[in-house]
Amino acid sequence: QVHLEQSGAEVKKPGASVKVSCKASGYTFTSYDITWVRQALGQGLEWMGWISASKGNTNYAQKLQGRVTLTTDTSTSTAYMELRSLRSDDTAVYYCARGGYMYGYEIWGQGTLVTVSS
Amino acid sequence: QPVLTQPPSVSGAPGQRVTISCTGSSSNIGAGYDVHWYQQLPGTAPKRLIYGNTNRPSGVPDRFSGSKSGTSASLAITGLQAEDEADYYCQSYDNSLSGVMFGGGTKLTVL
Repeated sequence: QVHLEQSGAEVKKPGASVKVSCKASGYTFTSYDITWVRQALGQGLEWMGWISASKGNTNYAQKLQGRVTLTTDTSTSTAYMELRSLRSDDTAVYYCARGGYMYGYEIWGQGTLVTVSS
Repeated sequence: QPVLTQPPSVSGAPGQRVTISCTGSSSNIGAGYDVHWYQQLPGTAPKRLIYGNTNRPSGVPDRFSGSKSGTSASLAITGLQAEDEADYYCQSYDNSLSGVMFGGGTKLTVL
């Protein structure tokens, strides 16, 4: 069945970078966009950006412009989210999801906890 | 502050009907962009509940329904059940921010 499997939890120091992976299975990877959403502990959902899995086009949240990069590897059906210059307020669960703003996000990964702490 | 405004909490007794509002503006819901709704149970990833304002994905009970009017949207839950206790989020697109927005979320408590 359709599934998004994310990489494991990460602990990073302030100023470092993190790269989270999201491996898709059960469907044609290039037929759908991948979106990244994060959620700080006890807080709401925050949209980070999306990438077209077929063309590589991206759109990032203004707040994260310059610090986040979304990429895909179509040979392994894997999407990546890299966040640089980490701060303590980047501590959150990061989700990948299949879909776009027109139809919403129908399939979600299990989430990856990224903790930023000195 | 989220661009889409939701009440922080709502509650209802089993069997009752509750509604959750999502208020936007002329740059998102009022501009014609669709609203989608998600349910998030504790410790789990969100689940799409309603898409395109009123559409239910297969497997979502018909107790859940969505509507949209002007710059607002609503999620209605009828025949409230204990398992409905969760956080609910609305989502749309905002053309002034050129990005997707989520509401702040509403915690539903089943009394």
